[in-house]
Amino acid sequence: QVQLVQSGSEVKKPGASVKVSCTASGYAFTGYYMHWVRQAPGQGLEWMGWINPNSGGTKYSQKFQGRVTMTRATSIRTAYMELSRLRSDDTAVYYCARGPLLVGAFDNWGQGTLVTVSS
Amino acid sequence: DIQMTQSPSSMSASIGDRVTITCRASQDIRKWLAWYQQKPGKAPQLLIFDASRLESGVPSRFSGSGSGTDFTLTISSLQPEDFATYYCQQANNFPWTFGQGTKVEIK
Repeated sequence: QVQLVQSGSEVKKPGASVKVSCTASGYAFTGYYMHWVRQAPGQGLEWMGWINPNSGGTKYSQKFQGRVTMTRATSIRTAYMELSRLRSDDTAVYYCARGPLLVGAFDNWGQGTLVTVSS
Repeated sequence: DIQMTQSPSSMSASIGDRVTITCRASQDIRKWLAWYQQKPGKAPQLLIFDASRLESGVPSRFSGSGSGTDFTLTISSLQPEDFATYYCQQANNFPWTFGQGTKVEIK
């Protein structure tokens, strides 16, 4: 079965960077886009961008352009999302989510990684 | 950015009720709409994609309809496990955006 397993919770100081990993199993890693979506405490969902694991190509939300970097390591079936210059309002649960090609939806999600930004 | 507006923001319903949630896009998104269910402390789960296509494994009491700017999610007969928050999401334009959510609570 499809599984996306994310790295554990992080606590960071303002101005620092965080890198979250998402390891996939149960499907062809390079055959699906990997998206990143975040959810601030008690709030709704916010799409951050995607990476094409096959080509390494990326598409970021303009809101995060310049602060987010999405990469992948195909040999270990892992996608990464790095967010820099963290602020307190970046405190959120960050999800990776699989996106089938030509389908504008996320059909499998990781368990989420809580990133807390606090001085 | 395309704004997605859900109504209602919250609602109370009883087991067996027919529940309808609406989602309106600020511009034409054709068929590019998905619906998710999220329970507290859990990741969202895909229910519907392409406005009306039921994701594999999702009970048939869930259905979606609409195109353009107006969409609905219907639960034909509410079950205990359906109490959750529901989100719509558009994928016609970047950035992909979500509605603010509709919380379905027990009456």
